[in-house]
Amino acid sequence: AQSVTQPDIHITVSEGASLELRCNYSYGATPYLFWYVQSPGQGLQLLLKYFSGDTLVQGIKGFEAEFKRSQSSFNLRKPSVHWSDAAEYFCAVGARDGATNKLIFGTGTLLAVQP
Amino acid sequence: KAGVTQTPRYLIKTRGQQVTLSCSPISGHRSVSWYQQTPGQGLQFLFEYFSETQRNKGNFPGRFSGRQFSNSRSEMNVSTLELGDSALYLCASSVRLQGTEAFFGQGTRLTVV
Repeated sequence: AQSVTQPDIHITVSEGASLELRCNYSYGATPYLFWYVQSPGQGLQLLLKYFSGDTLVQGIKGFEAEFKRSQSSFNLRKPSVHWSDAAEYFCAVGARDGATNKLIFGTGTLLAVQP
Repeated sequence: KAGVTQTPRYLIKTRGQQVTLSCSPISGHRSVSWYQQTPGQGLQFLFEYFSETQRNKGNFPGRFSGRQFSNSRSEMNVSTLELGDSALYLCASSVRLQGTEAFFGQGTRLTVV
C-alpha cells in the first residue's frame, strides 16, 4: 500500500540550530515528492517539491530537501532555524502515472523552537 | 495573484444538518481537490475535480459529495452531519490534472455539535 512515514511526531530545536525532518515513503514507483508547512489554524503552504532532476532541491524560507531513491526518503533540512519556523510539517507524495493530483500525506512533525 | 479562497472560514452545525463549503481556485487553475484534516486521521483525500468532472474519490461515505462549476470553482456538501465530521476541510488547486503542485486554501473549520 502507498504510504508516507514521518517517524518524528514532535521535535524541539534551539533557535539557530540545524534541523532535519525525516520522511520515508512506500510507493510502487518514484512518486512526486512534496513538503508542506502548516501554522496553527491555517492551510498548507508548499515549501518545496521534487519532480525530477537534481536530487537536492531548494525551497522557500531557506529549506532544502534531498531525495534518496535507495532509501525511499525525502528528508527536509534547514541549516539555521528561526523562531518563526515553529509549525507542523507534512511530507506528501503524488502519483507520476495516472491523471490525478491526489496527495498522500504523512502524519506530520510538529516543530517547536526554543529561544 | 490571489490564492485559493475558501468560504466560510468557520462553521458550527448541529448533528443531522447539512453543510456546503465553497472553494475558489487560483485563476487559471482547473483542478480542485478536497481534503479532510482531523487530529486522529490526519490529512485524508476526499475527491478531485477537473473540467466539472469528478476524477478521483477517497474512501468517504456517500454523505460527502462535491461538484465543480464551469469557472473551476468547487463546492463540497456533507449531508446528515455527524460529530465525527468536525474537521478542517482544505481545498487545493492545481493548474492541470497531473504533474504539478497543489496550492492550498486556508480551510474551513467545521464544528458539529
